[in-house]
Formats: sequence, structure tokens, C-alpha cells
Amino acid sequence: LAKTTQPISMDSYEGQEVNITCSHNNIATNDYITWYQQFPSQGPRFIIQGYKTKVTNEVASLFIPADRKSSTLSLPRVSLSDTAVYYCLVGAVQEGGKLIFGQGTELSVKP
Amino acid sequence: DTGVSQDPRHKITKRGQNVTFRCDPISEHNRLYWYRQTLGQGPEFLTYFQNEAQLEKSRLLSDRFSAERPKGSFSTLEIQRTEQGDSAMYLCASSYARYVAGRYSGANVLTFGAGSRLTVL
Repeated sequence: LAKTTQPISMDSYEGQEVNITCSHNNIATNDYITWYQQFPSQGPRFIIQGYKTKVTNEVASLFIPADRKSSTLSLPRVSLSDTAVYYCLVGAVQEGGKLIFGQGTELSVKP
Repeated sequence: DTGVSQDPRHKITKRGQNVTFRCDPISEHNRLYWYRQTLGQGPEFLTYFQNEAQLEKSRLLSDRFSAERPKGSFSTLEIQRTEQGDSAMYLCASSYARYVAGRYSGANVLTFGAGSRLTVL
């Protein structure tokens, strides 16, 4: 299973764009890249998923370069409510989907 | 469907007691996962089911832990003879694994419940 590495913490201010980069050098051909958000005392919540290039939804964008060894989660114009821990995971359903969580990136948004 | 439900949300018990957590997944999901999370750490995989079959169990899971998913619907996680080190948030998640042309394929998106917080005194 591919291991991921991401910054432990990041600080930002309201209204800024935040980019969190995750490295996954050993990503396999079948693996997808998925990002989750977790607030204190809640379960992780799916944000976005992609396989290659760029994916955008109403919450975030995910940029994946051609070699797929890294990915960047982009949160446009963050607000205080975006303060949370963000996890980057790689995996595929063929492997049983045993998604391995790292420590995640603790994002703190300040007014 | 109201998502993944877990019960109870909070449980306080004394060391040595047995506890059981229940998870009701999203009805059309065929996979169910249990994770454990302690403060400041990411969720740690415990076990998962494909329908009613338990397909993988973490080596970290001692024999005091047992999980079942009868009839491929809800699941229970039982911890026997609890220890203080078992204090954690126990998270359940479910997903739908698509089976096409004789194999599972595609991405795996887990939907998590709110968790059951266990405190062992």
C-alpha cells in the first residue's frame, strides 16, 4: 500500500486559497487519490477524489501531475469553518480498500 | 438513507468490562470497515467486511476484539476485558465496491459514521 507524506500543520487566513500537497511516491497503477476532512469528534468526511490531471467539485480542486507521485488539494477562499485535519490517502477497491491514514495536515484558519 | 449510524456515541466503562459497539452502514454498501482513532492520530484500520465475510483483520487487533456482520447488514465490534489503552474513538465506515467482469475495480470512497467514543476507567 502506498504511503503518503503531507505537512503536519498549516496556517491560513480567511479568504485565502490554501494548497496542501501530499507525496505518494509508491502509488500503484490502480490507486486513486482521495482526500478527507475531519473535524474534532467527528468521522472523516470525503472531500474529493481523482486519478490523474485535475478534478474540481463545489468544495475543492485536486491537482495530480502526470507522474502521479504527488497531489495538491486546493481550497479556494477558506473560512474559519475550514479549520480541520485533512488526510490524503491512496488506494483502490481491489486491495480491499484498506485505506491507511497518516497523521494528516491540521489546517488552522484565522480571521 | 441517513448515512452511517453508530451506537452508542459515548461509552464509559471500568477496566475489565466488555463493551459492544454497533454500526449501521448505508444500505446499498457492501463493504464495512472499523477504524480506531486516538487523540492527535489518524484513524487506524482494524478490520473490514465484504458483505458478511470478514476479509481482513489488523495484526494490531488483539484477540480481545471481535467483529461480526451477520447477514451483511449491521456490524458489531466487541471488546472483551477492556483496558485503559482501549480508550479511543471507534469509527465505522461503509463503501460500495463495484464488481464488474469478474473483479472489483475502481475507486473506494468510504463514508464514515460519527464514531463511538470509549473511555475505560
